[in-house]
Amino acid sequence: AAGVIQSPRHLIKEKRETATLKCYPIPRHDTVYWYQQGPGQDPQFLISFYEKMQSDKGSIPDRFSAQQFSDYHSELNMSSLELGDSALYFCASSFGLAGSTDTQYFGPGTRLTVL
Amino acid sequence: AQSVTQPDIHITVSEGASLELRCNYSYGATPYLFWYVQSPGQGLQLLLKYFSGDTLVQGIKGFEAEFKRSQSSFNLRKPSVHWSDAAEYFCAVGADNTDKLIFGTGTRLQVFP
Repeated sequence: AAGVIQSPRHLIKEKRETATLKCYPIPRHDTVYWYQQGPGQDPQFLISFYEKMQSDKGSIPDRFSAQQFSDYHSELNMSSLELGDSALYFCASSFGLAGSTDTQYFGPGTRLTVL
Repeated sequence: AQSVTQPDIHITVSEGASLELRCNYSYGATPYLFWYVQSPGQGLQLLLKYFSGDTLVQGIKGFEAEFKRSQSSFNLRKPSVHWSDAAEYFCAVGADNTDKLIFGTGTRLQVFP
């Protein structure tokens, strides 16, 4: 079965640079979620989108922005990168607007390293 | 506010032994509970979930979990562990009116042959 696709899988950036992470949800899924998992940490919710509109917002820094496009893929844009942004970034998708009461299917993650 | 506690940071078992990973949650209403597994460098794979109904839920890879409201627990069990089960296990809770899953800090399972 098709899964959530994230690209790139690995990304290395310098401090103060920008990064764009992409997420392609499971076909027919209309909701995407972004999570950040720091080293040795549990995943922390950043933001979610349903039908191209922001649905919920968590602890996402102002330097980060995200959007969902007409084909339901989503992009997380990160500017002025800091060392502390180094983490594994997960995208998850689900069908419908039940939020955390739906089953969220996670992608393999993008490992971002900021030097 | 919802929260999830996984009391065991690290568990080591022998292959073939039984396993129980503990998870306690804090939430006023009936929670939506999940167990995910993460292999090193990999994403999160859903093992099982509880929304309502039968409190004993079966998942993939031979795992099961039991929801106990009186104890605010959702412990994960497996009768016989395989070496390939070595991974990090996360319990998570979801709630109405929010999209976010709240994860526990995870339990790292090590399996000895």
